[in-house]
Amino acid sequence: AQKVTQAQTEISVVEKEDVTLDCVYETRDTTYYLFWYKQPPSGELVFLIRRNSFDEQNEISGRYSWNFQKSTSSFNFTITASQVVDSAVYFCALTPGMGPNAGKSTFGDGTTLTVKP
Amino acid sequence: EAQVTQNPRYLITVTGKKLTVTCSQNMNHEYMSWYRQDPGLGLRQIYYSMNVEVTDKGDVPEGYKVSRKEKRNFPLILESPSPNQTSLYFCASRQGLAGSYEQFFGPGTRLTVL
Repeated sequence: AQKVTQAQTEISVVEKEDVTLDCVYETRDTTYYLFWYKQPPSGELVFLIRRNSFDEQNEISGRYSWNFQKSTSSFNFTITASQVVDSAVYFCALTPGMGPNAGKSTFGDGTTLTVKP
Repeated sequence: EAQVTQNPRYLITVTGKKLTVTCSQNMNHEYMSWYRQDPGLGLRQIYYSMNVEVTDKGDVPEGYKVSRKEKRNFPLILESPSPNQTSLYFCASRQGLAGSYEQFFGPGTRLTVL
């Protein structure tokens, strides 16, 4: 069975601080995909990034960056110079890459980030 | 506009009264799925469908039924709702069967079972 753990239930920072959201996963699949989704206070779920199990290259998109380390089964998400608009619940998710289990998606419990002005 | 729609958005019902939450996508996606979101429990997968007439259980299927008679629709059926099914429900779809595709989510349906 696969599992995703987001140990930080809630994080509160002041605007312009950097913040890292942790995600640790467990899976027996050799091919899998990791995702981050954002759920702002309005409630919709928005895709942020995808990473496959063979690509450990870190990625940066503006103020967002992601660090994938297969050795520690982690896929952490860093927001640099946080802004109030970053306040949201962030979910990390895992999906097997292929086969019948490719339909199963496992989400972490989410981390609620509050950025105060 | 590419989207996943759910109806109703809000529903208050009583124990035992059968209900259906509809989900429709206009992106011609193969894969659709239902999740429930509860405080502190994240999103948990109820059922998913890899194609028309092909459905499979997720992690929390008890008390729910689904059907996939058409590619675009994936209704969630609660035959006899109970208070522990009070939750926020999301329908999602993705382009392909491989796990590499991101999911597109509907706006959510908030269900209260009294």
